[in-house]
Amino acid sequence: NAGVTQTPKFQVLKTGQSMTLQCAQDMNHEYMSWYRQDPGMGLRLIHYSVGAGITDQGEVPNGYNVSRSTTEDFPLRLLSAAPSQTSVYFCASSYSGRDNSPLHFGNGTRLTVT
Amino acid sequence: GDSVTQMEGPVTLSEEAFLTINCTYTATGYPSLFWYVQYPGEGLQLLLKATKADDKGSNKGFEATYRKETTSFHLEKGSVQVSDSAVYFCALRSQNFVFGPGTRLSVLP
Repeated sequence: NAGVTQTPKFQVLKTGQSMTLQCAQDMNHEYMSWYRQDPGMGLRLIHYSVGAGITDQGEVPNGYNVSRSTTEDFPLRLLSAAPSQTSVYFCASSYSGRDNSPLHFGNGTRLTVT
Repeated sequence: GDSVTQMEGPVTLSEEAFLTINCTYTATGYPSLFWYVQYPGEGLQLLLKATKADDKGSNKGFEATYRKETTSFHLEKGSVQVSDSAVYFCALRSQNFVFGPGTRLSVLP
C-alpha cells in the first residue's frame, strides 16, 4: 500500500541545471498536483492535472513543467534551476469529481539550488 | 476566490491542556472541509474531514464541526500530548483545494 511516492527525497542542484522530480501513486486517482512549501508561505500550488493528458497551471507555475502521460505518474520538471526554487516539494493526489475526497500527500522532496 | 484563514501561531501548550485552533473559510457553495497535520520532515496527513453543515469530524481525540452559519471549522482536543506537536493545516475543497497557512503547535511536558 504505497500511496503517493516521491523521489528523490533530497537533491542539490547548481543554478541553471535541470532535473525531474518524480511522483507516482497507486490509488487510481484522477487528480494529481504539485505544491511547494516555503517558510511563512504555506503551501502553494504549482501545477495540477485532472486526468491523463490534461494539465493546468496553479498559483506559481513559472520555471516548472509537468506532463501526465499515465494515470499513475506526474513528474515535475525544473527547466533551469534558480536559487528561488529552493523549497520542499510535495506531490498529492485525490479522486476527481468527488468533492469529499481528501488529498493524499507524498513525503516530499527537499531541493536546494546553489 | 475561495480562501482559508487560520489563527496565527505558534501555539505553545502544556501537556493535558485544551487545544483550539480557529479556522474560518470563504467559499461559494458548500465545500468539504479538512484538517491536515504535518510532523517534522514528513508530508501532510489527513487528520479529519467534514463534508456538510453540522457534520463533526473526529480522529485521535481531535474534533471539528462544520459550522455553515459562521463559516468555521475549528479544531479542538481536550487533552494534548507532547506527540501532538506538529503543524496543523485547515483546508477546503471546492473546485480545487485551498489551504490555510498552517498553525505550529508545541506541547511541553
